[in-house]
Amino acid sequence: QQQVKQSPQSLIVQKGGISIINCAYENTAFDYFPWYQQFPGKGPALLIAIRPDVSEKKEGRFTISFNKSAKQFSLHIMDSQPGDSATYFCAASRPRLISNFGNEKLTFGTGTRLTIIP
Amino acid sequence: SAVISQKPSRDICQRGTSLTIQCQVDSQVTMMFWYRQQPGQSLTLIATANQGSEATYESGFVIDKFPISRPNLTFSTLTVSNMSPEDSSIYLCSVEGLQGPETQYFGPGTRLLVL
Repeated sequence: QQQVKQSPQSLIVQKGGISIINCAYENTAFDYFPWYQQFPGKGPALLIAIRPDVSEKKEGRFTISFNKSAKQFSLHIMDSQPGDSATYFCAASRPRLISNFGNEKLTFGTGTRLTIIP
Repeated sequence: SAVISQKPSRDICQRGTSLTIQCQVDSQVTMMFWYRQQPGQSLTLIATANQGSEATYESGFVIDKFPISRPNLTFSTLTVSNMSPEDSSIYLCSVEGLQGPETQYFGPGTRLLVL
């Protein structure tokens, strides 16, 4: 129930196109869904995050779409650029049960290697 | 977001030895996390380190192999003990963000190769 499934494993998109990465989860207690971007040789960087009370969140060219009933969420990168070439990880976490403050550990997807070609 | 630094950035070690990785944050944080990421793979949480208490280890990770110290709110160390080639990996330090405890920010990682 803690698993987060991510697809595709790798993705090649032409410059200017839309990159779409999908994630699905089973645990309905999850209430926080971030996306991380990782360049080679670097640590993951928090890109954008969403909570289940909204179906979409947009920050610049990056949009998260969230479907609570289907237990799925996706990252859309509009006008994809070569600089977006990186590995993207989705993640999810649920509220802490004991302290009633904050969330438990993040459960990460398996990652998507995105390549934007000219 | 917090600025996180790790030392060393990379190392090559002989099997049977131990390596201590340092994580320094530019602001006080309650929770720090240590992850392992094998090449081309996802992130696996090793343990959660709170200041003033024993670290909490995830299934498959034990204190004898990965002892952790958390002496204050800006610093933590992870030791990889009695290393084997299977310990070759990237080790990442992470902290909770100021925007909320559910956000996490990662350091640049320590790339470890065990021969």
